[in-house]
Amino acid sequence: AQSVSQHNHHVILSEAASLELGCNYSYGGTVNLFWYVQYPGQHLQLLLKYFSGDPLVKGIKGFEAEFIKSKFSFNLRKPSVQWSDTAEYFCAVNAWDTGRRALTFGSGTRLQVQP
Amino acid sequence: SQTIHQWPATLVQPVGSPLSLECTVEGTSNPNLYWYRQAAGRGLQLLFYSVGIGQISSEVPQNLSASRPQDRQFILSSKKLLLSDSGFYLCAWIPINYGYTFGSGTRLTVV
Repeated sequence: AQSVSQHNHHVILSEAASLELGCNYSYGGTVNLFWYVQYPGQHLQLLLKYFSGDPLVKGIKGFEAEFIKSKFSFNLRKPSVQWSDTAEYFCAVNAWDTGRRALTFGSGTRLQVQP
Repeated sequence: SQTIHQWPATLVQPVGSPLSLECTVEGTSNPNLYWYRQAAGRGLQLLFYSVGIGQISSEVPQNLSASRPQDRQFILSSKKLLLSDSGFYLCAWIPINYGYTFGSGTRLTVV
């Protein structure tokens, strides 16, 4: 079965700092990869997704992620964070060839941006 | 448009009481539907998924059950709640383009 690891549980940054959140998965087959964000008091929203093609994926609000197959990683980046980026971020993977079509989530990273 | 509805938003229930959470989707037919739970300080855990009416797959043995009585309705139930059932429950569905969509969630507190 696939699993997802997010090693940064809580990250605190100042505004304008650069962000990189790590995500590693374990599955040897074809995967779809996702980053979701949950702002305080709101429901999960899709930031970006990777299915195939260019491994550098651009999402909403200036976020991007790079799929590195050899490292089983899908790290999330943003060059300059804002206070409004304070939220919890979840990496997720779907093992495409299992037929199950369900997401396996990481435990999440809580990002706190200080003004 | 395709939308997903989940209710109630908040629920406080005593230990041993029954539970019924409902999720419905609009604007599609025969969707894959999912129940996830997010416990405090932890990520989301898949509980059940359904690929059609009456078809339920359980991911984690537990005190909960799910049913799909209609094509666009997915229900999460329990006969007797435990303290450990507290958490944030999310319903989700997957359109053809894999743009997973989540409901707004139900925060369940068992007291």
